[in-house]
Amino acid sequence: AQKVTQTQTSISVVEKTTVTMDCVYETRDSSYFLFWYKQTASGEIVFLIRQDSYKKENATVGHYSLNFQKPKSSIGLIITATQIEDSAVYFCAMREGTPSGSWQLIFGSGTQLTVMP
Amino acid sequence: AQTIHQWPVAEIKAVGSPLSLGCTIKGKSSPNLYWYWQATGGTLQQLFYSITVGQVESVVQLNLSASRPKDDQFILSTEKLLLSHSGFYLCAWSLRDYEQYFGPGTRLTVL
Repeated sequence: AQKVTQTQTSISVVEKTTVTMDCVYETRDSSYFLFWYKQTASGEIVFLIRQDSYKKENATVGHYSLNFQKPKSSIGLIITATQIEDSAVYFCAMREGTPSGSWQLIFGSGTQLTVMP
Repeated sequence: AQTIHQWPVAEIKAVGSPLSLGCTIKGKSSPNLYWYWQATGGTLQQLFYSITVGQVESVVQLNLSASRPKDDQFILSTEKLLLSHSGFYLCAWSLRDYEQYFGPGTRLTVL
């Protein structure tokens, strides 16, 4: 089975700085999709950004960008100009095929980001 | 714009009692639908997956069942709750099999 690992349990930064959250994955698929989500204190889960493995360019959406290092099976999330409201738990996820031919998302354990004034 | 609604917002139930949680998606035709479970402080575990009315695939066995009676509705249920069923239940949708969009969730406490 595929696996997604986030080793950073928590990170604290000062607002307006840049933060990078790490994620490594294991897969036997030649083509795959990686995602980052955030979960706010209320429990709301928000999709942030996606990386398709066949694309060489790192995905960027607003102040979120990815550092995709395919040879290292690594997909880091970079948040620039952090704001207090970026404080949340960030999950890395990978799409995996099931034995029946459908798909499921495998999530990492999450990284708690705290942005301080 | 699409909206996803889950009900109830929270439930407190006794061990051994039945459970039914619901999810409705408006504004999208024939979405893929998913149920997830999250233990307090834990990660998300996908439970069920449906691509069409009447079709549901179980991803992990937790003594729960799911049904899709309408294109825009997904139901999670069990006849007998266990303590281990406590947690946060989330419904999600996607078009095809790319990024998923989550509902607000239902917090379940089993006593």
